[in-house]
Amino acid sequence: GAGVSQSPSNKVTEKGKDVELRCDPISGHTALYWYRQRLGQGLEFLIYFQGNSAPDKSGLPSDRFSAERTGESVSTLTIQRTQQEDSAVYLCASSFYDNEQFFGPGTRLTVL
Amino acid sequence: GDSVTQMEGPVTLSEEAFLTINCTYTATGYPSLFWYVQYPGEGLQLLLKATKADDKGSNKGFEATYRKETTSFHLEKGSVQVSDSAVYFCALSDQSGGGADGLTFGKGTHLIIQP
Repeated sequence: GAGVSQSPSNKVTEKGKDVELRCDPISGHTALYWYRQRLGQGLEFLIYFQGNSAPDKSGLPSDRFSAERTGESVSTLTIQRTQQEDSAVYLCASSFYDNEQFFGPGTRLTVL
Repeated sequence: GDSVTQMEGPVTLSEEAFLTINCTYTATGYPSLFWYVQYPGEGLQLLLKATKADDKGSNKGFEATYRKETTSFHLEKGSVQVSDSAVYFCALSDQSGGGADGLTFGKGTHLIIQP
C-alpha cells in the first residue's frame, strides 16, 4: 500500500478484556516496529521484527503483551487482560532493513 | 541507557519569528540523530537527520547540527509559518534508522504559530 496502515484507529475496552491491534507495513519493507505513546510521554519502543523474527522481546512492558508477524507482512500486537495503564496510542512503523522508519497513524486504546 | 531530553512545550510564536527547539541526548557510542514531526491529524514523519558529528540535517527550512561536544541536536528555523504548527520529536538510534533497539524519543514539543 501507499503507507503504513493500522487498525482499528480507536479501541475502547473494559479492564480485563483482551485486545488485538493490527499493522500493515509498506509493501517490501523488511523491518517493523511497535511503539507506545502514553499521554504526555515520548514514544516508547516495544519490539522490532526483521522479517518474522523478533530477536529481542524485552521491550514489551509485561508478559500480557505479545506480538507476531507473518513473513514480511502484517503484524499483530495483542494485549491480554488489559489494565488502565495500557491506555495509550500504539504506533507501528516499517522500514527497508534498518533505514528510515515510516509511521502509521496509530491506534488509540482506552481501557475503562 | 540512551535518553533524549527536549524542551517542554507548548512553544507559541508569531509568524516569521525565529525558532529554536533544544534537544540533548545521552548515548553510548555514536548514535544517529533525528527530528520527527507530527502535524495535526497525521502520523509521524521524518523531518531531518544527521548520522555523524558536525553533520547538518536540513529540510523545509529547518536545520539541526549534530554537536558531539555538547551532545545536542537543536532544531532551528529562521522564519516560521502557521503551517509549521505541529509536535516535534527529537530521537536517536544506535544504527542508521532504527534496528533492533528502535528509536529513542524525547517527549515532544508542541509548537503553535500564531498569524
